[in-house]
Amino acid sequence: ETGVTQSPTHLIKTRGQQVTLRCSSQSGHNTVSWYQQALGQGPQFIFQYYREEENGRGNFPPRFSGLQFPNYSSELNVNALELDDSALYLCASSLDPGGGGGELFFGEGSRLTVL
Amino acid sequence: DQQVKQNSPSLSVQEGRISILNCDYTNSMFDYFLWYKKYPAEGPTFLISISSIKDKNEDGRFTVFLNKSAKHLSLHIVPSQPGDSAVYFCAATSHGSGNTGKLIFGQGTTLQVKP
Repeated sequence: ETGVTQSPTHLIKTRGQQVTLRCSSQSGHNTVSWYQQALGQGPQFIFQYYREEENGRGNFPPRFSGLQFPNYSSELNVNALELDDSALYLCASSLDPGGGGGELFFGEGSRLTVL
Repeated sequence: DQQVKQNSPSLSVQEGRISILNCDYTNSMFDYFLWYKKYPAEGPTFLISISSIKDKNEDGRFTVFLNKSAKHLSLHIVPSQPGDSAVYFCAATSHGSGNTGKLIFGQGTTLQVKP
């Protein structure tokens, strides 16, 4: 059984650029959620994908978008990067979109630095 | 609007003693609460959870207590071990209609267990 994997682990971008982060969900999981964790803060929900469609969104602007593929892997895209987008981006997979028991399985995260 | 708060950024305890981590919430709609543990350079891992219909849940050395009237929960670790040193996040969710399994996290408490 493979866990949640994310790529890249670290990356540096400049303001105004675009970034794509990738996530492979844990085997057997059909739901992927993305969280942003700023320094010293807890993770904040960005959105969730289920059956290749967005299934709930947090308080993030439209320049944060995503995709889910038939194999349940997912991408997070951020356009027009701002300095405040610097954070750890966590992908989490789960067995079902309702969160079931709420148990999410997280990847190690992608550390984005915007200069 | 911080719906889940962990007011102690850090906690230091001696090995073998009890660690008590606290969490407060404001949203009465939350009906499921979780604790996650995070080591550096790793994603958060699920530790223990509790439904709002219970006031206590125990799993080995870990016990979570829920006081709904006070909107407060706590995680007890007994006995504490050096390997428990990590950042602990409290999280909450609502399983109401339309819920997407979105978790609301607190800011985290860094626990250090000294040998």
